[in-house]
Amino acid sequence: DSGVTQTPKHLITATGQRVTLRCSPRSGDLSVYWYQQSLDQGLQFLIQYYNGEERAKGNILERFSAQQFPDLHSELNLSSLELGDSALYFCASSVGRGRTDTQYFGPGTRLTVL
Amino acid sequence: AQTVTQSQPEMSVQEAETVTLSCTYDTSESDYYLFWYKQPPSRQMILVIRQEAYKQQNATENRFSVNFQKAAKSFSLKISDSQLGDAAMYFCASKTQGGSEKLVFGKGTKLTVNP
Repeated sequence: DSGVTQTPKHLITATGQRVTLRCSPRSGDLSVYWYQQSLDQGLQFLIQYYNGEERAKGNILERFSAQQFPDLHSELNLSSLELGDSALYFCASSVGRGRTDTQYFGPGTRLTVL
Repeated sequence: AQTVTQSQPEMSVQEAETVTLSCTYDTSESDYYLFWYKQPPSRQMILVIRQEAYKQQNATENRFSVNFQKAAKSFSLKISDSQLGDAAMYFCASKTQGGSEKLVFGKGTKLTVNP
């Protein structure tokens, strides 16, 4: 158990819908990262937050957005869902900036868009 | 831009034997970190081992060790005394220090352990 929690574990929805994925980082971690794992794209970085502020953006679609709240939990919002958005979405957390910073992953949320 | 390449989509090993998974990377940064993550059928991403590029000594964690060849930009993972529980997808990843601390992953190697 990494200490990172993600809810829900599974999500099945229809095209055009909107969903919210939730992540709680390990106690004491200030950084949260979101990654998408799909068969064709592999593991890709989406976005990073540090202590409530957006730190970096990766290959995140405009239909996707995220935020980190004062209690440091984070939510990833996916809207106007398409079949191709079906994937495993991971949240990872780390202490923050530092030489030995290591990212620990949550169990993931499997999203199926029908 | 960082890139990570794993050229072996699948590997297999006999239980108790040793196997080496290959990884090459490319980065223009001088300060970076390399990782191996394991993803068993449960899909959980588990950190196996980490190597700081500024350290010449190869990292070791119990039965897992790396062969870090900085000049060749090679970072292979050796698993000794393979166990059935080692069967998983293994991902090599890199991270640069400063700016975005995102992990860049390879495509993965599926390891099968035969009894």
